[in-house]
Amino acid sequence: DGGITQSPKYLFRKEGQNVTLSCEQNLNHDAMYWYRQDPGQGLRLIYYSQIVNDFQKGDIAEGYSVSREKKESFPLTVTSAQKNPTAFYLCASSTSPQGAAFSYEQYFGPGTRLTVT
Amino acid sequence: EDKVVQSPLSLVVHEGDTVTLNCSYEVTNFRSLLWYKQEKKAPTFLFMLTSSGIEKKSGRLSSILDKKELSSILNITATQTGDSAIYLCAVLLSNFGNEKLTFGTGTRLTIIP
Repeated sequence: DGGITQSPKYLFRKEGQNVTLSCEQNLNHDAMYWYRQDPGQGLRLIYYSQIVNDFQKGDIAEGYSVSREKKESFPLTVTSAQKNPTAFYLCASSTSPQGAAFSYEQYFGPGTRLTVT
Repeated sequence: EDKVVQSPLSLVVHEGDTVTLNCSYEVTNFRSLLWYKQEKKAPTFLFMLTSSGIEKKSGRLSSILDKKELSSILNITATQTGDSAIYLCAVLLSNFGNEKLTFGTGTRLTIIP
């Protein structure tokens, strides 16, 4: 079945440690996105990538890093520089604006809830 | 700064009622407006609106965009308990080929049996 997977579902880390969240899709989508969701804040864009080996900062990129070495994978690292990392993280993908089959619909993964103490 | 505002933040109604959710935006480089339903984890896509005044409909849900008023509404008629969810509005912005979604805070809808 086609879809987006995120792992793990729940993640606990101690303050000062870097942690990497996984996001994989087999939808053959060019574009992938990372969002953070906090209560009362809606979804906020952290990073996005419209093609392999290229990515752009979103609205709240500080303290995060990403890589896009493969089309299927877009891992997010929450570094120790992120001041308030406890949140629900959602990964999404879509077809590319440059592609003939472009759709604005974003497909979301199930999310990872990160708790840092 | 681009802004998407949804109202109300929270709404509780009885089964069978009709509800209207609002989304207004102040953005540059507007391309489209999208509605999502989020029940437990991941949002699911409902509608995408690009042209003003054209209603999109899916079952008991419908939505329309007003570009003059910079807003959109989402209507749900004959509500059911399964409609209980957070409804997210997002605006698609396009800037020199870079497209991104800016989300509102969401409206939490609770349907009482």
